[in-house]
Amino acid sequence: KAGVTQTPRYLIKTRGQQVTLSCSPISGHRSVSWYQQTPGQGLQFLFEYFSETQRNKGNFPGRFSGRQFSNSRSEMNVSTLELGDSALYLCASSLAGLFSTDTQYFGPGTRLTVL
Amino acid sequence: GQQVMQIPQYQHVQEGEDFTTYCNSSTTLSNIQWYKQRPGGHPVFLIQLVKSGEVKKQKRLTFQFGEAKKNSSLHITATQTTDVGTYFCAGGAGAQKLVFGQGTRLTINP
Repeated sequence: KAGVTQTPRYLIKTRGQQVTLSCSPISGHRSVSWYQQTPGQGLQFLFEYFSETQRNKGNFPGRFSGRQFSNSRSEMNVSTLELGDSALYLCASSLAGLFSTDTQYFGPGTRLTVL
Repeated sequence: GQQVMQIPQYQHVQEGEDFTTYCNSSTTLSNIQWYKQRPGGHPVFLIQLVKSGEVKKQKRLTFQFGEAKKNSSLHITATQTTDVGTYFCAGGAGAQKLVFGQGTRLTINP
């Protein structure tokens, strides 16, 4: 099985712009979770989507949004980018999601730099 | 809400020394998972523990789940340079979602 893929792998944007990141989960997985990772901050949970519905949301401002399509692929969008949004954005997929004992399979991440 | 705390945040050891990271939850967990993220990489699943007092081994790595199912540890015996990375625990608790700890970053002096 192919692993979790994320596109693009690297992105450079300027303040005020918006960005859309994409995540394709492992075939058959219905849950996609998104995390922001910055040096020294660990994995900050953004949100989880399961069967096209947002099941849980972390403590991020409304500038961060996401969606999931019927094929389980997910996108996250960040509007009005700020310097502090520079981070590695990771998505993780699993069969039944964060409310189960399923293993989370992480993608390689998208490295976003905001100038 | 559920919190998962991990200590220490950083650990630097000499190659060959042992290493331990601890994970503590504010609530009783139904399972605990451990992940490893190599520098420049992404978290990769290592193991899952579900039973009270469970101990599992993977070569030089020993994982324990506390009797009260609120804490866990990962112990590496005789570290090697390939052990470098950040180790995350993640706790799940029934109706609550899986929550990741902040991670312990391990660096090794060869």
